[in-house]
Amino acid sequence: EAGVVQSPRYKIIEKKQPVAFWCNPISGHNTLYWYRQNLGQGPELLIRYENEEAVDDSQLPKDRFSAERLKGVDSTLKIQPAELGDSAVYLCASSPRLAGVTDTQYFGPGTRLTVL
Amino acid sequence: TQLLEQSPQFLSIQEGENLTVYCNSSSVFSSLQWYRQEPGEGPVLLVTVVTGGEVKKLKRLTFQFGDARKDSSLHITAAQPGDTGLYLCAGHMATSGSRLTFGEGTQLTVNP
Repeated sequence: EAGVVQSPRYKIIEKKQPVAFWCNPISGHNTLYWYRQNLGQGPELLIRYENEEAVDDSQLPKDRFSAERLKGVDSTLKIQPAELGDSAVYLCASSPRLAGVTDTQYFGPGTRLTVL
Repeated sequence: TQLLEQSPQFLSIQEGENLTVYCNSSSVFSSLQWYRQEPGEGPVLLVTVVTGGEVKKLKRLTFQFGDARKDSSLHITAAQPGDTGLYLCAGHMATSGSRLTFGEGTQLTVNP
């Protein structure tokens, strides 16, 4: 079974430029998460989707970040415009069903973003 | 202020040594998970503990959930170079439902 797929793996951009990350979760997984992981830190949740619905986006900086999961499968996270402080690894994860406290989250390899 | 405090932040040991990593909080957790993350990869779940006082073993790794469900520990016996990685604890707070909160991680290096 294929794991969570993310692209691109690496992205280097100038500040103020837009950037987008793509995630394809494990087939059949209803719940999708986007996390940001700064260097030397644990991941921090940006947004969680249950199917097409964003059910937890309270930590998404909505002035410059947006996300979508139009058909309840793959998802895109966008930053516009990017700032130097956005440099981080952006991780996508999925879990099989509506998220519960014992559910396993399966993580993709992440996209490492560098903003110059 | 970090909700989940991990210690130590860095640990470098020789192959064959034992070690313990700690994950502490002032908050109660419905469940607590331990992940290992290798460079260029996402975290991979090692274990989930849900009951206060619960102990789980995974080969040379022993995980314990505190009686009050506010802390956890990971003990590795006879560490091997393949154990090298970033160990992350993560928990579901009793008051935040399904949101998973991660600690800052412990970077373990096991030298041959």
